[in-house]
Amino acid sequence: ETGVTQSPTHLIKTRGQQVTLRCSSQSGHNTVSWYQQALGQGPQFIFQYYREEENGRGNFPPRFSGLQFPNYSSELNVNALELDDSALYLCASSYGAEVSYEQYFGPGTRLTVT
Amino acid sequence: RKEVEQDPGPFNVPEGATVAFNCTYSNSASQSFFWYRQDCRKEPKLLMSVYSSGNEDGRFTAQLNRASQYISLLIRDSKLSDSATYLCVVNSLNFNKFYFGSGTKLNVKP
Repeated sequence: ETGVTQSPTHLIKTRGQQVTLRCSSQSGHNTVSWYQQALGQGPQFIFQYYREEENGRGNFPPRFSGLQFPNYSSELNVNALELDDSALYLCASSYGAEVSYEQYFGPGTRLTVT
Repeated sequence: RKEVEQDPGPFNVPEGATVAFNCTYSNSASQSFFWYRQDCRKEPKLLMSVYSSGNEDGRFTAQLNRASQYISLLIRDSKLSDSATYLCVVNSLNFNKFYFGSGTKLNVKP
């Protein structure tokens, strides 16, 4: 086990609603990255948080936003949910924000939008 | 063109076989490379980092070819437990963007 935890495990929402997903990083890690993984695809990078600041962002619209707290845990917020937002949402923690640092994933939150 | 491309497979091999996967990347300025394995409906787990000089961990060997812009993963003496999807990860020119391939599925048969 990596020590990265995510909640909730599963979630069902209706189109147009808003959702908040949570992630606790592994002890000693100060960086959290969020990914979206659609069925049959590799994870797509959403953004990364380092020391409570966004530190890199993928090709996701502004309705995907996040926070990192002083204890390095993090939230992913998605507004105005669309059907295509149905996916597994993964967070990964690492020590430091350098691209060479290895990332360790949590078990994910499976979001279904109906 | 995708940042990272992998053959989706599946690669069906018998136990004990040697199998190799390649992963090509489009950005010549990419700096860091990793292999992850992902079991069905589970999170990706780090298998190994890929260094310029190549690296080996037991039955697994990873290589980087910067000239041709690909990384490879070699698995020797395949075990049933090696059955999984193998994902390669490459960072981008823009600092702190990580790109995953779509994965290569491996089935090891008895």
